[in-house]
Amino acid sequence: KAGVTQTPRYLIKTRGQQVTLSCSPISGHRSVSWYQQTPGQGLQFLFEYFSETQRNKGNFPGRFSGRQFSNSRSEMNVSTLELGDSALYLCASRRGGTGSTNEQFFGPGTRLTVL
Amino acid sequence: GQQVMQIPQYQHVQEGEDFTTYCNSSTTLSNIQWYKQRPGGHPVFLIQLVKSGEVKKQKRLTFQFGEAKKNSSLHITATQTTDVGTYFCAGPERGAQKLVFGQGTRLTINP
Repeated sequence: KAGVTQTPRYLIKTRGQQVTLSCSPISGHRSVSWYQQTPGQGLQFLFEYFSETQRNKGNFPGRFSGRQFSNSRSEMNVSTLELGDSALYLCASRRGGTGSTNEQFFGPGTRLTVL
Repeated sequence: GQQVMQIPQYQHVQEGEDFTTYCNSSTTLSNIQWYKQRPGGHPVFLIQLVKSGEVKKQKRLTFQFGEAKKNSSLHITATQTTDVGTYFCAGPERGAQKLVFGQGTRLTINP
């Protein structure tokens, strides 16, 4: 079974631009969560989508948004980029739903650098 | 909001020595998960503990969940160079499908 894939793997943007990151979960997984990882803040939860609906949201500004498609693939968008948005963005999938395990399967991440 | 704290932040050991990382939550957890992230890699699920006082072993790794379900530990016996990485604990925020991660303990090993 293929793992979680994320594209692109690396991205360089300048302040003020916007960016869209993509995540394809493991086949059969309906839950996708996004995390921001930085050396100073560790792993911070951004949001979780399940069956195309946002179920939970972390404490990030409205510049961070996401969506999920009917095939469970998810995208996250960051508008008006700031230098502090430079980070590794990880998505994680799990089956989700009643009775499923909590184990999250992480993708390789997208390394975003904002100049 | 819920906070999950891990100590130590860094640990350097000689190969063959033991290693322990501790995790404390500000609230009672329904379960706790542990992940390992190798340098340059992504977090990989190790284990989930659910019951109060639960102890689970995976070869040289021993995981414990406290009686009050607010703390946990990971102990590695006789470390090997393959154990290098950052170990994270994570607990679900009460009432939410949201994992709160500890800051992680970065383990380095002198061969």
